[in-house]
Amino acid sequence: DAGVTQSPTHLIKTRGQQVTLRCSPISGHKSVSWYQQVLGQGPQFIFQYYEKEERGRGNFPDRFSARQFPNYSSELNVNALLLGDSALYLCASSLAISGITYEQYFGPGTRLTVT
Amino acid sequence: LAKTTQPISMDSYEGQEVNITCSHNNIATNDYITWYQQFPSQGPRFIIQGYKTKVTNEVASLFIPADRKSSTLSLPRVSLSDTAVYYCLVGSSNTGKLIFGQGTTLQVKP
Repeated sequence: DAGVTQSPTHLIKTRGQQVTLRCSPISGHKSVSWYQQVLGQGPQFIFQYYEKEERGRGNFPDRFSARQFPNYSSELNVNALLLGDSALYLCASSLAISGITYEQYFGPGTRLTVT
Repeated sequence: LAKTTQPISMDSYEGQEVNITCSHNNIATNDYITWYQQFPSQGPRFIIQGYKTKVTNEVASLFIPADRKSSTLSLPRVSLSDTAVYYCLVGSSNTGKLIFGQGTTLQVKP
């Protein structure tokens, strides 16, 4: 079975632009979470979606938004990019049953560079 | 949400058992304890998860005392390929929000 997939693998944007990152969860997984990992630090939680509804939000500005589609794939959008948004963006899926989240499986990430 | 504290780095040699201890003094009743492994430029990989006492799988063991304020990841007979960053984290079973700390960089030497 395929694991979590993310696209694109790498992305270069300039300050002020907008970016959309995509994630496909493991088949059968209904929960998707997004994390930001700056070089040298641990991943920071951004969002979690379950059954197309936002279930958790981290301490990120409103420039960050996300959504989940009926097929459980997800998009993360970041507006008005700043240099500090340069990071590895990780998507994780989990087999969530009745809102209880089990172990999360991470994708390879999208490396975003803002210049 | 509970924060975790773990050593920044550890060194070991091939074939040794490695124990990484993590403290999470403010763990909540619904929180699970999970350990992940991460190699450079890759997403974290799930190692083991537990709620209390001891959990063992094919790659590691997780020891959790009764008060759940700490946990110890045990890696038996490490190899060079176990060189990675290991994260201890607690997660709410209600929201799935996982808080990653700084992680422990394990360096396995020949």
